[in-house]
Amino acid sequence: DIQMTQSPSTLSASVGDRVTITCRASQSISSWLAWYQQKPGKAPKLLIYKASSLESGVPSRFSGSGSGTEFTLTISSLQPDDFATYYCQQYNSYSVTFGGGTKVEIK
Amino acid sequence: EVQLVQSGAEVKKPGESLRISCKGSGYSFTSYWIGWVRQMPGKGLEWMGKIDPSDSYTKYSPSFEGHVTISADKSISTAYLQWSSLKASDTAIYYCARDNTDIAARPNDYWGQGTLVTVSS
Repeated sequence: DIQMTQSPSTLSASVGDRVTITCRASQSISSWLAWYQQKPGKAPKLLIYKASSLESGVPSRFSGSGSGTEFTLTISSLQPDDFATYYCQQYNSYSVTFGGGTKVEIK
Repeated sequence: EVQLVQSGAEVKKPGESLRISCKGSGYSFTSYWIGWVRQMPGKGLEWMGKIDPSDSYTKYSPSFEGHVTISADKSISTAYLQWSSLKASDTAIYYCARDNTDIAARPNDYWGQGTLVTVSS
């Protein structure tokens, strides 16, 4: 199985901050990387797919980059609605795996 | 409108069997795989496996193979996740999600609302 390591596990930030979350794969996954946002009691929501493609309806302050084994999710200016947990997911192989998650908290 | 509607919360005893469901609507059910994801209380997301409803071909995570069974009935646009003998450690929220990888390189683009399964004696 491909292992996905996310960092940090928790992040404290203020509204307006630029936030970056990192995800590392245990082997190359090309660009087969997605990012999800999950709020308490809700299903995850797809934000980014194929490493850098923005899902329809997702605000442009979200962006993704990377390829191979290193990926980042950036929120250019954190908004109140963005406080949530974020997960990366590799879908390079039939056996999909998620990262451990990054909780973005209010500073 | 694409929707995945899951069956309601379940409370079961250890050793009991269970099948939960996920009904798709608003799209061609047989054109997309359906995946299942577990979220244990206060924990992260774990991919369990997926099924191609057109032919019921399945792929499981090694962590879940042999512990659960994924199936589908394309005539009623419904996918299932079942256990033959539940354990307390199966207590979790289970999500189904449409897999759009083959068509648009987008993995899980639509999700069900989740089914809470509680296993307790």
